[in-house]
Amino acid sequence: AQTVTQSQPEMSVQEAETVTLSCTYDTSESDYYLFWYKQPPSRQMILVIRQEAYKQQNATENRFSVNFQKAAKSFSLKISDSQLGDAAMYFCAYSPETSGSRLTFGEGTQLTVNP
Amino acid sequence: DTGVSQDPRHKITKRGQNVTFRCDPISEHNRLYWYRQTLGQGPEFLTYFQNEAQLEKSRLLSDRFSAERPKGSFSTLEIQRTEQGDSAMYLCASSLGVYSYEQYFGPGTRLTVT
Repeated sequence: AQTVTQSQPEMSVQEAETVTLSCTYDTSESDYYLFWYKQPPSRQMILVIRQEAYKQQNATENRFSVNFQKAAKSFSLKISDSQLGDAAMYFCAYSPETSGSRLTFGEGTQLTVNP
Repeated sequence: DTGVSQDPRHKITKRGQNVTFRCDPISEHNRLYWYRQTLGQGPEFLTYFQNEAQLEKSRLLSDRFSAERPKGSFSTLEIQRTEQGDSAMYLCASSLGVYSYEQYFGPGTRLTVT
């Protein structure tokens, strides 16, 4: 069974600084997708960034980028120029390519942004 | 595109009662998912539909839980004989289908069983 582990229950960053959230996963599949989702307090989950396992290039979306290390099964999220609105719970998620795309989530990392 | 909607947003019920939740996906999305999220944890997969067909169910979905998606549009999740352990946020998500792996989540229904 696939598992996703986020070893940092909480992280904090100063506004305008950079922070990296860690995620590791375990799978025997060769083709899969990895995601970072953001869940602000009392608000719905939104997709931050997606990485296809077959792509060697790391995904980037504006201030958000990932460091995808397939051999190490590591998928970290870097947030640059942190903003107060980035404060949220961040979930790393895995989806195999061939089973309906259901997501397996990690435990989450609560990110605090200090002004 | 009005997004995924869920109703009700909050439900308080007494142990032993039945409850039903509704999810309306984004209109052109043919896949619909249900997840359960307990406080401080990541969501856990419950079940998913491709159009009206329920294609996968998690072991978490005991026989007290049933989900339907008639006509491949909205979906309902029913919990019979609720237990205190059923207290959680129930999330619905939808996606375009086979060639899109991005799931769009609704705001969730928070269930409290007293």
